[in-house]
Amino acid sequence: DILLTQSPATLSLSPGERATLSCRASQSIGAYFAWYQLRPGQPPRLLIYDASKRADGVPARFSGSGSGTDFTLTISSLEPEDFALYYCHQRYNWPGAFGGGTKVEIK
Amino acid sequence: QVQLQESGPGLVKPSQTLSLICTVSGDSVNSGGKYWSWIRQFPGKGLEWIGYIAYSGSTYYNPSLQSRLTMSLVTSNNQFSLKLTSVTAADTAIYYCARDDMTTRSFDSWGQGTLVTVSS
Repeated sequence: DILLTQSPATLSLSPGERATLSCRASQSIGAYFAWYQLRPGQPPRLLIYDASKRADGVPARFSGSGSGTDFTLTISSLEPEDFALYYCHQRYNWPGAFGGGTKVEIK
Repeated sequence: QVQLQESGPGLVKPSQTLSLICTVSGDSVNSGGKYWSWIRQFPGKGLEWIGYIAYSGSTYYNPSLQSRLTMSLVTSNNQFSLKLTSVTAADTAIYYCARDDMTTRSFDSWGQGTLVTVSS
């Protein structure tokens, strides 16, 4: 099974700062890599698919990059609504796997 | 804009069957090329994909849950359902339904989720 390891587990930042979230796969994976945002009381939201493509309606401050085993989600300037849980997900092979999550919290 | 809403009991006794329904609006569950998944989030925050059902009614389940799972389409109500048998406390989680885009293999729309607690 392909495992995804997210780091850091918690990121403490202030609004306006840049957030860099990492996800490492236990072996090389192709496309079918996504990032999701989970906020209390809200439906989870697809942010990035195919490692670097923004989903419909996602602000430009969110960007995804990476290939092979190392992937990054960058939030260029944190807005108050961006403080949330973030998960990476691969479906290179079935049944796929989620990372353990990164909590972006207000410093 | 597609919307999904989960419904079902919030408390299930151990060894019994967990049953949930997802009601879809803004899309049709039996429209060609559509796939519908269930995903759960454990109390420790980890996420697990449970399985999907296709517009045709075909299914694919997470092998770790396959022996206990049944998913169905309820086309008359534009819904799909989940049944998980022989539940234990380890099945306590927030259960989400989601539309599954097989082109990108991502979940492009989600419900808000429903908490299911397994306890006597």
